[in-house]
Amino acid sequence: DQQVKQNSPSLSVQEGRISILNCDYTNSMFDYFLWYKKYPAEGPTFLISISSIKDKNEDGRFTVFLNKSAKHLSLHIVPSQPGDSAVYFCAATKAAGNKLTFGGGTRVLVKP
Amino acid sequence: DVKVTQSSRYLVKRTGEKVFLECVQDMDHENMFWYRQDPGLGLRLIYFSYDVKMKEKGDIPEGYSVSREKKERFSLILESASTNQTSMYLCASSSPRTFQETQYFGPGTRLLVL
Repeated sequence: DQQVKQNSPSLSVQEGRISILNCDYTNSMFDYFLWYKKYPAEGPTFLISISSIKDKNEDGRFTVFLNKSAKHLSLHIVPSQPGDSAVYFCAATKAAGNKLTFGGGTRVLVKP
Repeated sequence: DVKVTQSSRYLVKRTGEKVFLECVQDMDHENMFWYRQDPGLGLRLIYFSYDVKMKEKGDIPEGYSVSREKKERFSLILESASTNQTSMYLCASSSPRTFQETQYFGPGTRLLVL
């Protein structure tokens, strides 16, 4: 039973356009959410996070939106660049613990 | 610069062999984790440790064990490797002092069990 789901396994977008990655969760105890980025042959690296007390967090070209009532979060990348081509993982945790639950990942391809 | 290293990038083992995967971090982190990554399933937690000599089962501990004798080192052991343990194995560490719960990952070990 996957508690964190990324329903789109892949996404292709033109350079300069917006990439929107979606993530749904089922566990209402989750209150901290993170996005990780993974290049081939490398470990995932932290990208951006959001606490459940917020509905938006922005860091440069990356913005994460959280809709608690829908148990849904999304990552927006604007503008998309070829170097953004990677696999993106959504993860969730309860604030009291440090155990992350990951989604299945979305492979993003940004075409020049 | 933070660093998590894993002993091997690629491993090929035979069914029934005992396999050791080593992970070392240089950040003095208390927490360490072992995941496996499979297509479409994302990262699944095998075991984690909050301190030396402590271990907790993750979501898929069957067929695995771990050892943490020193703070910087966390080993994953496959007692008798099977073909369904062919996967990418990722080690991570984190500090409970960091609210962001950010985990730092090693480059991964791709294990093939024949």
